[in-house]
Amino acid sequence: TQLLEQSPQFLSIQEGENLTVYCNSSSVFSSLQWYRQEPGEGPVLLVTVVTGGEVKKLKRLTFQFGDARKDSSLHITAAQPGDTGLYLCADPSGGSQGNLIFGKGTKLSVKP
Amino acid sequence: ETGVTQTPRHLVMGMTNKKSLKCEQHLGHNAMYWYKQSAKKPLELMFVYNFKEQTENNSVPSRFSPECPNSSHLFLHLHTLQPEDSALYLCASSLTRGGSGGPLHFGNGTRLTVT
Repeated sequence: TQLLEQSPQFLSIQEGENLTVYCNSSSVFSSLQWYRQEPGEGPVLLVTVVTGGEVKKLKRLTFQFGDARKDSSLHITAAQPGDTGLYLCADPSGGSQGNLIFGKGTKLSVKP
Repeated sequence: ETGVTQTPRHLVMGMTNKKSLKCEQHLGHNAMYWYKQSAKKPLELMFVYNFKEQTENNSVPSRFSPECPNSSHLFLHLHTLQPEDSALYLCASSLTRGGSGGPLHFGNGTRLTVT
């Protein structure tokens, strides 16, 4: 079973700042999913990246998949308090029997 | 509205109690999952059901007993739990089992406290 390392573990910033969080593995991902979990709720899928070097944008969020498909990053521009939450990366085929496995996540707090 | 509904949202139980968590989805999905979310740990997969059949038990202690009467409903029966079982229990569903079965849709979880 592959391990996903996410960094940083915690991040506290002011509204309007930019930030980047990372997801890394020693193995190659077949694809990678990013989820956001807001306080008191379950995780919600943001994006799936599949191709090495791929860049996807979702409003102020930019997701990048490494060329070698062993890492991914999520960049948020001009963060807002509504971006507060736990950001999880997940490997759709990383677990036993092909089940999804998750990293520990990055807990982001955006202060007004 | 997430499409996956979990009840109750909060549960406090003693170590000798018996309780059940309920999960319901009306997304037409065939796979359902129980995950445990504890502080400082990744989401832990507990059980997987595909077309009502249990396909995975991830070495979960027998004090947790899942039940899937149909593809839309999933239960987690709890008895003689330990304080370290306190966590957020998340239910999820996907079109079919496994990572290639489409993204997971999660409920908002049951926050369980064992006293």
